[in-house]
Amino acid sequence: QVTLRESGPALVKPTQTLTLTCTFSGFSLSTSGMCVSWIRQPPGKALEWLALIDWDDDKYYSTSLKTRLTISKDTSKNQVVLTMTNMDPVDTATYYCALYSSSSGNAFDIWGQGTMVTVSS
Amino acid sequence: QSVLTQPPSVSGAPGQRVTISCTGSSSNIGAGYDVHWYQQLPGTAPKLLIYGNSNRPSGVPDRFSGSKSGTSASLAITGLQAEDEADYYCQSYDSSLSGPGVVFGGGTKLTVL
Repeated sequence: QVTLRESGPALVKPTQTLTLTCTFSGFSLSTSGMCVSWIRQPPGKALEWLALIDWDDDKYYSTSLKTRLTISKDTSKNQVVLTMTNMDPVDTATYYCALYSSSSGNAFDIWGQGTMVTVSS
Repeated sequence: QSVLTQPPSVSGAPGQRVTISCTGSSSNIGAGYDVHWYQQLPGTAPKLLIYGNSNRPSGVPDRFSGSKSGTSASLAITGLQAEDEADYYCQSYDSSLSGPGVVFGGGTKLTVL
């Protein structure tokens, strides 16, 4: 059974760096075709894709946020980490990690429950 | 403004059929990239509903179906049930030079009357 769980601070101050961890089970990120992605959703708004890392350690970022984002993986720990610098109140959102695999035609197969992050001083 | 355009809301009575459109362009849906659909029940994470334009993951009722033509895609729900009331999102890939990457629609809120 595939599961993903996000963890990180619920509150960050403006200009600080946010670090989120996605801990997963039920698959290996070293298996060809497997990727983990981060997506966020501001309250009452639509989903926004942020970043993706694949089994070969290739990394892809949203063009509008790429200067602020870094995604990395620790295959031995089954974790993917996302850092976002220079946080602003507009970054307040629920942040999700999700499995993105070639077996579903590159869709987000399984999602974590999400973690709400509020940016406020 | 989302790259993929969806109607903000649709509604239907129990038992009826509703469709949700997802309109893209020549750099995403029209370029041949697959469209996927997600259902987000209130207060929960999105769930994959349709992948690869028209395929249902195991456990998704056959009341849900997807199609794609040209630069657009559609999600159809037949035999509408109260439990279908949710937000629905389409997703694809965009290859535009200004910013390739995964793209979502703005979401459609389905109300079951």
